[in-house]
Amino acid sequence: NSKVIQTPRYLVKGQGQKAKMRCIPEKGHPVVFWYQQNKNNEFKFLINFQNQEVLQQIDMTEKRFSAECPSNSPCSLEIQSSEAGDSALYLCASSPGQGANERLFFGHGTKLSVL
Amino acid sequence: GDSVTQTEGLVTLTKGLPVMLNCTYQTTYSPFLFWYVQHLNEAPKLLLKSSTDNKRTEHQGFYATLHKSSSSFHLQKSSVQLSDSALYFCALSPGGYKVVFGSGTRLLVSP
Repeated sequence: NSKVIQTPRYLVKGQGQKAKMRCIPEKGHPVVFWYQQNKNNEFKFLINFQNQEVLQQIDMTEKRFSAECPSNSPCSLEIQSSEAGDSALYLCASSPGQGANERLFFGHGTKLSVL
Repeated sequence: GDSVTQTEGLVTLTKGLPVMLNCTYQTTYSPFLFWYVQHLNEAPKLLLKSSTDNKRTEHQGFYATLHKSSSSFHLQKSSVQLSDSALYFCALSPGGYKVVFGSGTRLLVSP
């Protein structure tokens, strides 16, 4: 069973609504990734953190996406104004370290449906 | 930039037959390559990883060899089972917190 906990498992929103999902990384893992998995099962990298600091992120020029990993709280990914094209499985993954050899530990994901 | 190519979107096989899922990559770094498996409604999980050229790595009956000369890391199994039906993703980590995934191959094994 996955030790990366994502909530909620399913999220249904209307267009223009906020959508927020959370992730508790595996204990002791300082690195957290967010990926969007589309209906064709393709992974799109969104952002990653080490502890509370952003390491890398895509160009979120639309500013609809925001993410944070506050200390002693779950990480979160929020879409300010959902669009139909945001419908996807949002996967959170954590890693025990920063090396290229480190595997990712995934949660089950949050399936977002934007109606 | 860094990229991973999986040429087959869907592979269908009868149980007991061998399988090879293709993975090629592009990077200017010396990378780690991974295979992740995602069963229906489950989280993706690691199947194999390697960074050593020409060394076979194995797990749960699956095996792969990283060939840097051809930038390939194909996944193989000698005899597939019904429980192997899943999505398989090849991934590349060139370093620096970056992990790039291929588009995935769905393996369907029939009785």
